[in-house]
Amino acid sequence: GAGVSQSPSNKVTEKGKDVELRCDPISGHTALYWYRQSLGQGLEFLIYFQGNSAPDKSGLPSDRFSAERTGGSVSTLTIQRTQQEDSAVYLCASSGTWGETQYFGPGTRLLVL
Amino acid sequence: QKEVEQNSGPLSVPEGAIASLNCTYSDRVSQSFFWYRQYSGKSPELIMSIYSNGDKEDGRFTAQLNKASQYVSLLIRDSQPSDSATYLCAASLNNYGQNFVFGPGTRLSVLP
Repeated sequence: GAGVSQSPSNKVTEKGKDVELRCDPISGHTALYWYRQSLGQGLEFLIYFQGNSAPDKSGLPSDRFSAERTGGSVSTLTIQRTQQEDSAVYLCASSGTWGETQYFGPGTRLLVL
Repeated sequence: QKEVEQNSGPLSVPEGAIASLNCTYSDRVSQSFFWYRQYSGKSPELIMSIYSNGDKEDGRFTAQLNKASQYVSLLIRDSQPSDSATYLCAASLNNYGQNFVFGPGTRLSVLP
């Protein structure tokens, strides 16, 4: 079946602009994760959704970052007033439920000029 | 102590040799462990998962879990240049929420 998809694959924006990144998880997967990966660095956890439960936002670096998941499926990560340090690859992953194997999307490469 | 720790490397091995990648974990971690491979510029992809003490083999890959010593390792036999990548150790936590943690990864270079 189809894997995790993300859009756009690349995004170039100017400092101060808002951006929206989209993630379509694998059908039927109830858990969805967002990570950030800067060049040459490890995975930085951002936020986690499990079904209709309240998300775990403990990894969001500032209040400029927010995410929602509509209908328990598609998720959008929004970064307001982007800064140059927000430049990174944003990865989405989904799993059948919490603690199970995660499957990653191709990522969105964000460049803030 | 971080939940999952790995030597960042780089680890260099000659083609055809056995590459040994190690990962240690803390008491907060549950008993589910995963090895991911990440090629430069690509997303992580699952290689193996291991839940029980002992060895688990899949082709050229063998995962080893030692709960008493709190480590998990990945052996790659007959290493190929195409195995050159960063290998991420991951584990599930004993709590809801951020319940999946990744180590920083070990960069492996297989020299032809």
